[in-house]
Amino acid sequence: EAGVTQFPSHSVIEKGQTVTLRCDPISGHDNLYWYRRVMGKEIKFLLHFVKESKQDESGMPNNRFLAERTGGTYSTLKVQPAELEDSGVYFCASSQDAGARNSPLHFGNGTRLTVT
Amino acid sequence: AQSVAQPEDQVNVAEGNPLTVKCTYSVSGNPYLFWYVQYPNRGLQFLLKYITGDNLVKGSYGFEAEFNKSQTSFHLKKPSALVSDSALYFCALHMNTGFQKLVFGTGTRLLVSP
Repeated sequence: EAGVTQFPSHSVIEKGQTVTLRCDPISGHDNLYWYRRVMGKEIKFLLHFVKESKQDESGMPNNRFLAERTGGTYSTLKVQPAELEDSGVYFCASSQDAGARNSPLHFGNGTRLTVT
Repeated sequence: AQSVAQPEDQVNVAEGNPLTVKCTYSVSGNPYLFWYVQYPNRGLQFLLKYITGDNLVKGSYGFEAEFNKSQTSFHLKKPSALVSDSALYFCALHMNTGFQKLVFGTGTRLLVSP
């Protein structure tokens, strides 16, 4: 099966610009997660979708970040306007079941975002 | 609050020697614990997990981890390291809340020399 796909792999933008990251989960996976690793620190949870609904968005840093998952398939994460501290690697992950007992997370390769 | 600590930024080991990557956690209750590995320019790959039961968990590529509740640790081990094991390793946990809102450590870079 195809894995979790993220696009683009790299993005370099200037402060104040807008960037949209895309994630295509594994087909049939209802659960989709966004995580972020900033400047070599720990990977932090951003939000979780179940199908098209946001289940938990407690990790979203502020209202400059907007995530969508129209139709419950692929997801986008938009940063508008981007700030320097938004630089990092954004990971998307998906799982078939909600819990970890039988269904670990499958991660994409990440999008490395650099804001200059 | 839940947290995961990986006290070593980097671990160096010679090929063929045993390796240990340390992880400790802080949580109230019984966590689910995980190890993920990230190879260069790749995403995170699941290695192993502890949910319940036997404290020694075996995972992919010959790795294993031991859950120690009294020491709140979940160290990753392998009896004989390979150069190809060189990668970034992340320890993570989440509570049994039904969803995989993972709390990660900062990662440990493992460098295996020939």
